[in-house]
Amino acid sequence: QSALTQPASVSGSPGQSITISCTGTTSDIGGYNYVSWYQQHPGKGPKLLIFDVYNRPSGVSNRFSGSKSGNTASLTISGLQPEDEAEYYCNSYRSRNTWVFGGGTKLTVL
Amino acid sequence: EVQLVESGGGLVQPGWSLRLSCAASGFTFDDSAMHWVRQAAGKGLEWVSGITWNSATINYADSVKGRFTISRDNAKNSLYLQMNSLTTEDTALYYCAKGGESWLDAFHMWGQGTMVTVSS
Repeated sequence: QSALTQPASVSGSPGQSITISCTGTTSDIGGYNYVSWYQQHPGKGPKLLIFDVYNRPSGVSNRFSGSKSGNTASLTISGLQPEDEAEYYCNSYRSRNTWVFGGGTKLTVL
Repeated sequence: EVQLVESGGGLVQPGWSLRLSCAASGFTFDDSAMHWVRQAAGKGLEWVSGITWNSATINYADSVKGRFTISRDNAKNSLYLQMNSLTTEDTALYYCAKGGESWLDAFHMWGQGTMVTVSS
């Protein structure tokens, strides 16, 4: 079961916007609208940021937004803040009742 | 407050077995699908297994199929993962994660994890 493809790292300055991509196939991202994004700070458990492609759980800042086009999903973080520095993972439902994560993207706030 | 507390991790030799537990509180456990997700040191997240609220749907990653068994006890608000024939590849931090009413819901809450180390 191959993972979804994410860039290993991205960076941006405070106040800027960045976008993290997540590429899969028609068996996962392209075939279903069950894409979610998670933030993980060092030594902590992951935190849900986006579910079902673009929905935010209550309590998550509206600086985080999600989208999807074809087999690629994206997470955009606007107005970067120092506390956004973390690892970010995408996740998608995959056919035959399985789930698959991306390899993770390390965000550095310069 | 929603809480998921994993336990049962430890150091075992290849070929041995281990049973992980996840104690849930702060939400209606028997309304939620539950999952196990693992993370090897310095690596990404890997979905391991999931189970719906009524155990009607259970599935596993290919990497653990036939060796791991997920189960739940709704009366005890607990999730379990029986891990047999462990290999060094299974060494990881194992997280318990709360889904939703549907198998297709995202993983809304996570525990802090329990460490499993397989080494001779």
